[in-house]
Amino acid sequence: GAVVSQHPSRVICKSGTSVKIECRSLDFQATTMFWYRQFPKQSLMLMATSNEGSKATYEQGVEKDKFLINHASLTLSTLTVTSAHPEDSSFYICSASLKGSGNQPQHFGDGTRLSIL
Amino acid sequence: SQKIEQNSEALNIQEGKTATLTCNYTNYSPAYLQWYRQDPGRGPVFLLLIRENEKEKRKERLKVTFDTTLKQSLFHITASQPADSATYLCALDLGSSNTGKLIFGQGTTLQVKP
Repeated sequence: GAVVSQHPSRVICKSGTSVKIECRSLDFQATTMFWYRQFPKQSLMLMATSNEGSKATYEQGVEKDKFLINHASLTLSTLTVTSAHPEDSSFYICSASLKGSGNQPQHFGDGTRLSIL
Repeated sequence: SQKIEQNSEALNIQEGKTATLTCNYTNYSPAYLQWYRQDPGRGPVFLLLIRENEKEKRKERLKVTFDTTLKQSLFHITASQPADSATYLCALDLGSSNTGKLIFGQGTTLQVKP
């Protein structure tokens, strides 16, 4: 149980393109979803916390107009990287938890490798 | 400043031995601490959660300790196997007032040799 599907797994596109990444909880309803970015050999850096039906909460230094998050239902959140540039190339990972509180494990998707040429 | 630190050097051990990984933190007061396993190119997988009032937690060959005085958690894998080779991440969970978000360490890579 607690399976999270993330799509696509890899994207290669030209600079200036907008890229949408989907995160779905397949067998549970996720009140809260999280979006992370991970550079090689580094930790997961939280970008934003997404709650169904409300605006996402972004971490300090993350541009909300650059990284658009939509949490339309209890099973789907999307991250759109707008007008992507090479410095946005990274490994983006989503996770979901059953409720937005402590004492809950997070269930992760398998990530999206984004490469901007 | 607030920090969470794991040994960035890879840990190499022989199959059958016990692997011990360390997670230290500064200027945080986590209510819980979680451990995850991450394989290359994959998302992390949850392993164990331990509360601040628990000193030790076990699950099969895994054992986690949590010392809030030392601000340290130790993660042990007994009778290690080559299949245990992966990167292990500790994460601080600040509790219910924090919407469940986690603060991750950079991870320690474990290599178990046959």
